[in-house]
Amino acid sequence: EAQVTQNPRYLITVTGKKLTVTCSQNMNHEYMSWYRQDPGLGLRQIYYSMNVEVTDKGDVPEGYKVSRKEKRNFPLILESPSPNQTSLYFCASSETGRWDNEQFFGPGTRLTVL
Amino acid sequence: AQKITQTQPGMFVQEKEAVTLDCTYDTSDQSYGLFWYKQPSSGEMIFLIYQGSYDEQNATEGRYSLNFQKARKSANLVISASQLGDSAMYFCAMREGQVGGSYIPTFGRGTSLIVHP
Repeated sequence: EAQVTQNPRYLITVTGKKLTVTCSQNMNHEYMSWYRQDPGLGLRQIYYSMNVEVTDKGDVPEGYKVSRKEKRNFPLILESPSPNQTSLYFCASSETGRWDNEQFFGPGTRLTVL
Repeated sequence: AQKITQTQPGMFVQEKEAVTLDCTYDTSDQSYGLFWYKQPSSGEMIFLIYQGSYDEQNATEGRYSLNFQKARKSANLVISASQLGDSAMYFCAMREGQVGGSYIPTFGRGTSLIVHP
């Protein structure tokens, strides 16, 4: 089954404790991205990757890191989480970054930073 | 300026009736795609329908159709014969043709739809 998986689905952590949210897709997609969703703000892109070893900032990259060492995986790293990073996070992938490519979303990770 | 505007924070509809969710967009690209997603209370993002800027016909997928008015830059989602399971948040999104070099899709703030029995 074609899918995007994320782990963990739920995470409660404390300020400053480094964490990683994993994302994996099995569709051989070139383009992968991370979003955060906050009430009333819709989805905002954090980082995206056009292909292996090619990453770039989205609209809200501060406080986040990413890497793309393999085509299928695109982990999101919070090196020193803060309470304002409490949010619902989505990983997404598409065949390419083209305008006519549909994005496939993971199930979401609900992060709470105390 | 917002690239995607959804002006209806909340909508109510009676079961079996049709409902239109509004979406206007702003782009200077000739090539762009418009997408609608549904987010039920369980949280996942479900793709509903796509309209490309060069498509001359309005997109349809089952009970979903897209009322695409290019000159007005609007891409409204029409749900026919609403069902209780249609109660959810709905997001309009756009991907542009990267004339300006951006590969960042943009999303509207969403419309919450409640279907009454």
